[in-house]
Amino acid sequence: DTGVSQDPRHKITKRGQNVTFRCDPISEHNRLYWYRQTLGQGPEFLTYFQNEAQLEKSRLLSDRFSAERPKGSFSTLEIQRTEQGDSAMYLCASSHRGLAKNIQYFGAGTRLSVL
Amino acid sequence: QKEVEQNSGPLSVPEGAIASLNCTYSDRGSQSFFWYRQYSGKSPELIMFIYSNGDKEDGRFTAQLNKASQYVSLLIRDSQPSDSATYLCAVNRGGGSEKLVFGKGTKLTVNP
Repeated sequence: DTGVSQDPRHKITKRGQNVTFRCDPISEHNRLYWYRQTLGQGPEFLTYFQNEAQLEKSRLLSDRFSAERPKGSFSTLEIQRTEQGDSAMYLCASSHRGLAKNIQYFGAGTRLSVL
Repeated sequence: QKEVEQNSGPLSVPEGAIASLNCTYSDRGSQSFFWYRQYSGKSPELIMFIYSNGDKEDGRFTAQLNKASQYVSLLIRDSQPSDSATYLCAVNRGGGSEKLVFGKGTKLTVNP
């Protein structure tokens, strides 16, 4: 499988718990993005990494959200003290700087349900 | 004004017809434009990208860009029931920002 891989595919948690999602980008893609999508809406940008550097963050990314890409390969997105409003599909995408401009390929997503 | 606007639909066309999907954007400096297809419960799948004014064709799909009017469209010729999905328009403003700004999507139904 050479696509963007996300784990887990589904996560059910109770309000107040912490959750962590993982994303493995397409091999040799040096750019990695996180988006969030709720029902009936388009994806909303959360943050972006080039290699291990986090270069852009949305105001949507509150203090409870943190993302890392420690070795410039896979990335994790952690949500602390989850709230019901965090229920959404969390999408990861990757692209390759230097190839066709900013073409982002999405993974299957992690669907989060906060009870 | 929303950054990227699309008619939410639903848009319904008969099989074999041309489906026309439209998108407008507010940031005149936007540089890159993308169309993604999203089946229910699935993630977005890239269909087309366009950077320059004019038309770009790929099989049954044609993307059209008019930067002066801040308008981008997607035409699907010979529509098939398998084209039934939500189509998302996404825009990148460039200038150091790599994020895509998406519209809400237009739901297309192709009736056999």
